Parts: sequence; C-alpha cells; structure tokens
Amino acid sequence: DAGITQSPRYKITETGRQVTLMCHQTWSHSYMFWYRQDLGHGLRLIYYSAAADITDKGEVPDGYVVSRSKTENFPLTLESATRSQTSVYFCASSVPGQNTEAFFGQGTRLTVV
Amino acid sequence: RKEVEQDPGPFNVPEGATVAFNCTYSNSASQSFFWYRQDCRKEPKLLMSVYSSGNEDGRFTAQLNRASQYISLLIRDSKLSDSATYLCVVFETGYALNFGKGTSLLVTP
Repeated sequence: DAGITQSPRYKITETGRQVTLMCHQTWSHSYMFWYRQDLGHGLRLIYYSAAADITDKGEVPDGYVVSRSKTENFPLTLESATRSQTSVYFCASSVPGQNTEAFFGQGTRLTVV
Repeated sequence: RKEVEQDPGPFNVPEGATVAFNCTYSNSASQSFFWYRQDCRKEPKLLMSVYSSGNEDGRFTAQLNRASQYISLLIRDSKLSDSATYLCVVFETGYALNFGKGTSLLVTP
C-alpha cells in the first residue's frame, strides 16, 4: 500500500532487551523523522534523516540508534530498553523544503516492563 | 532547541461557537509555521500552513505575527467533528518540525 507504515503497532518488551521499530514509506521522500509522544511533553524529535546514509540527532536521542541504508526505510532501535522509553513512537516523512507537509505513520505503542 | 508554547486547554465549547487558539515561538529565525490536528491516539495530520499575510480555509483562519512571534488559529461555527488536539508547529532551519504540546478542543452538542 502507498504511504508510510510502521510496525509493529503495539509492542511489549522487557527492560534491557533490544527492540527495533520499523518505518517504511513508498513516496521516496528524502526526509524521515522519528518522534516520541508522551503525556505532558508533546511530540519530541528523536532522530531525523535528510537522505539515505545521513542521520542526525534530535532533542532526545539517548538510548536510540537509527540507520537509513535505503531511502524508504528508517528503523529505530532501542539498544537496551528502559521503562522511561515507554511511549508512542511516530515516524514521519517529507520532501525537502520549508512549507512542505510531513506525513506520519500510525504510530507504535511501546510498553517496557 | 527553541520552544513552541501553547495553552493546553481543554477548551470546551458548544456547537456553533467560535474558538481561538494561540501559540508563541521563541526562535525568531523560524521560517515556516503550521497547524496540525491530532485525534485521540492517532497520528498528527496537517490542518493548514500559516502564512505571513494570514490565510483561510473554510471555517479555519490562521494568522502569523512575526514581530510578536505569535501564531493563531480561529475556528468558526464549531462542529462536533472539530474535537481534537491542535498542534502548533514551527520549522526551524537545519532542524525538523518543532511541535508545541497541543491544545485540546472539545465541542459539545
């Protein structure tokens, strides 16, 4: 299907485990982003990527790793999950430019127990 | 990271009312401005861009005051379906979209 999709939609994992959240877009947008959304904090940028093999840290990158070997995929890995990483994670993509729309995936609800 | 501030609400208004949301941003070099809408537990979606001259889309009017670093959204003739969280968003050069925490709107019959 065309668009931007995230998987899994829901995930429960244990503290200390590694977990990867997947993001795939079919538009060939060069920009991709990962945000987390928590009550009281709104959407906070974790990492973003301007193109394949180009990534940069956002506001809250600690404990997360990203890669972008292909334009259409932007996986987010929690190297050793902590309870504070329990959140809703949104992936987004856009074309370059100031007045361009960012399109969001449906989100992944991650619970770390 | 520069701040984007919004009144969290909630704003409870009856159908047909006019409601206004405000937003301030701290980075004077910010270049682009948007309002996104987010329904409960769903992804944010673009409602409208905000231009310096002000712009309107049906019942929605957005305005930007660069001197005061202030953005507003006016919703006229509120509908039940307008109930959502409205996110003020600022694009900063060399950075991604910077989101406010959102303002919650509940339109009641």
